Amino acid sequence: QKEVEQNSGPLSVPEGAIASLNCTYSDRGSQSFFWYRQYSGKSPELIMFIYSNGDKEDGRFTAQLNKASQYVSLLIRDSQPSDSATYLCAVDTGRRALTFGSGTRLQVQP
Amino acid sequence: DAMVIQNPRYQVTQFGKPVTLSCSQTLNHNVMYWYQQKSSQAPKLLFHYYDKDFNNEADTPDNFQSRRPNTSFCFLDIRSPGLGDAAMYLCATSSLAGGGEQYFGPGTRLTVT
Repeated sequence: QKEVEQNSGPLSVPEGAIASLNCTYSDRGSQSFFWYRQYSGKSPELIMFIYSNGDKEDGRFTAQLNKASQYVSLLIRDSQPSDSATYLCAVDTGRRALTFGSGTRLQVQP
Repeated sequence: DAMVIQNPRYQVTQFGKPVTLSCSQTLNHNVMYWYQQKSSQAPKLLFHYYDKDFNNEADTPDNFQSRRPNTSFCFLDIRSPGLGDAAMYLCATSSLAGGGEQYFGPGTRLTVT
């Protein structure tokens, strides 16, 4: 079983819609959770991090964490074509090292 | 602006010819990481440093070595590159005072011929 799992996609949404990206993790001791955006051929860019159960909002982005279900998600409101990228979920199990999922490719259709 | 810098951005080496990739940071972060990322795959952690303390991942091949001569610089040495080592190599940094978030440099794309 992979430690961090994401649907590879592509997830295709129309411009202006809400994109919902999901991630599950296997280690119940995981403490910190991160979402990175990666454009093709570029390096990952940090978008959001969340430590506590519930929702955390930053502009058009909302991260949601449910530790009981070992589930973390990222919502992107008012999706734009410039949001088209691969979104990587990453988990820190407490040793200051991140385990990444393989990413979900998001396509926002104009 | 504080940043993570990687040089070179593109590196071509021959099969078996040693190569060194470099990373520098102006963030003054304690922790530096090296990842390998192949196409459509997750970044794979090779090793990381807490200050000068070196932490090697169990499945990192012996062919990969690293040096951190000071807080600002970290190097990745590939002693005998094989065709399977062609990948994007990512350097990242993190502050122990933070919550674990890591900041990546632009990466070095390594091609092995």
